[in-house]
Amino acid sequence: GAGVSQSPSNKVTEKGKDVELRCDPISGHTALYWYRQSLGQGLEFLIYFQGNSAPDKSGLPSDRFSAERTGGSVSTLTIQRTQQEDSAVYLCASSLTTGTGNTIYFGEGSWLTVV
Amino acid sequence: DAKTTQPTSMDCAEGRAANLPCNHSTISGNEYVYWYRQIHSQGPQYIIHGLKNNETNEMASLIITEDRKSSTLILPHATLRDTAVYYCIVTPQAAGNKLTFGGGTRVLVKP
Repeated sequence: GAGVSQSPSNKVTEKGKDVELRCDPISGHTALYWYRQSLGQGLEFLIYFQGNSAPDKSGLPSDRFSAERTGGSVSTLTIQRTQQEDSAVYLCASSLTTGTGNTIYFGEGSWLTVV
Repeated sequence: DAKTTQPTSMDCAEGRAANLPCNHSTISGNEYVYWYRQIHSQGPQYIIHGLKNNETNEMASLIITEDRKSSTLILPHATLRDTAVYYCIVTPQAAGNKLTFGGGTRVLVKP
């Protein structure tokens, strides 16, 4: 597609349930990132995938959070046993990894509300 | 990554140029200056980036001082739709490096 696509755009879930958020990066982009942004807060890095390399998971807040990227394209962020503090918008981004610079392009986010 | 310092907020008049400053005094030689903005309820949007030369595109101009310790993003003719939080980020050239977002500058364009 033309841009980074995320689904669902909105998700309301009950505390303790698991959720999966999906990201389709821009075609041809080999790097994929997940960020989250709580209401009124800045962007918090979660995880980064680059090709077949081991992902950089340094930003994941707890072991309830995990992500995978299948076939080097689509990524799924999974949150297990959701808590109210997990409520945020989860943003996916992608970039090329050739050429100069480091321009990443963001999707519109998946808004998660845990009740 | 080098840390950046930006004003918390600023107002500007519609139709006038908006000049957004950023200090990055600890920038190293391989770090680029990037600008993104985030309009309310949307994902961040790339604006422009540069290494040491001034850059211009259809959205904005980026002026980087000769010592590279500060830069200014210029929106030549601000519109109401330019109201957003503007983030200045410095990051190494190596592609794939994650961007670390600070607090940014909340810009309000007023009619």
